[in-house]
Amino acid sequence: TQLLEQSPQFLSIQEGENLTVYCNSSSVFSSLQWYRQEPGEGPVLLVTVVTGGEVKKLKRLTFQFGDARKDSSLHITAAQPGDTGLYLCAGFHQTGANNLFFGTGTRLTVIP
Amino acid sequence: GAGVSQSPSNKVTEKGKDVELRCDPISGHTALYWYRQSLGQGLEFLIYFQGNSAPDKSGLPSDRFSAERTGGSVSTLTIQRTQQEDSAVYLCASSLVRRTGGFSGNTIYFGEGSWLTVV
Repeated sequence: TQLLEQSPQFLSIQEGENLTVYCNSSSVFSSLQWYRQEPGEGPVLLVTVVTGGEVKKLKRLTFQFGDARKDSSLHITAAQPGDTGLYLCAGFHQTGANNLFFGTGTRLTVIP
Repeated sequence: GAGVSQSPSNKVTEKGKDVELRCDPISGHTALYWYRQSLGQGLEFLIYFQGNSAPDKSGLPSDRFSAERTGGSVSTLTIQRTQQEDSAVYLCASSLVRRTGGFSGNTIYFGEGSWLTVV
């Protein structure tokens, strides 16, 4: 059972374009995190969102947590080749368990 | 180093052999996770250790997989009688566990992974 579904699975865009990646679930999460992973490395945390409706910005990246805390989105403005990588959402389930569930991943390629 | 350390970084083994993968978490981190990642895919949760509590083994795919954590620090993931479908990157991560109400205020740090190829 996959708790977190991401879309799209693959995304290839031109430098300078905007994009949005979605992370959806039927379950409620106490918090959601977004990670970026580059080849040969482990995922690196970008942001944690905790409150329903919360919006966080990290330079050209905007993260939003859904009001019901079941979904999240990542929006990138004016994508750069350095944004290329595998983006993963992950969440701690509302039950309070500490194990972190990961989404299916979105592989982004930004073409110069 | 100060990060999560995994060994070996690469392992090629013959089908049917046993393998052991090691993880050295960040010093002082009480939580330790093992995940499996197939090529280009998301992470599949395997097992979670938290202090002296019983580990959460709910993600282990079969009884060929086991893990232990000795002295609350180093962890070893063992795969017995390896199969070709076990080929993947095995990622270890650690964190401090801070709970405030329902939120686990964790920042999880990952190692670079152990690439396992079963031939």
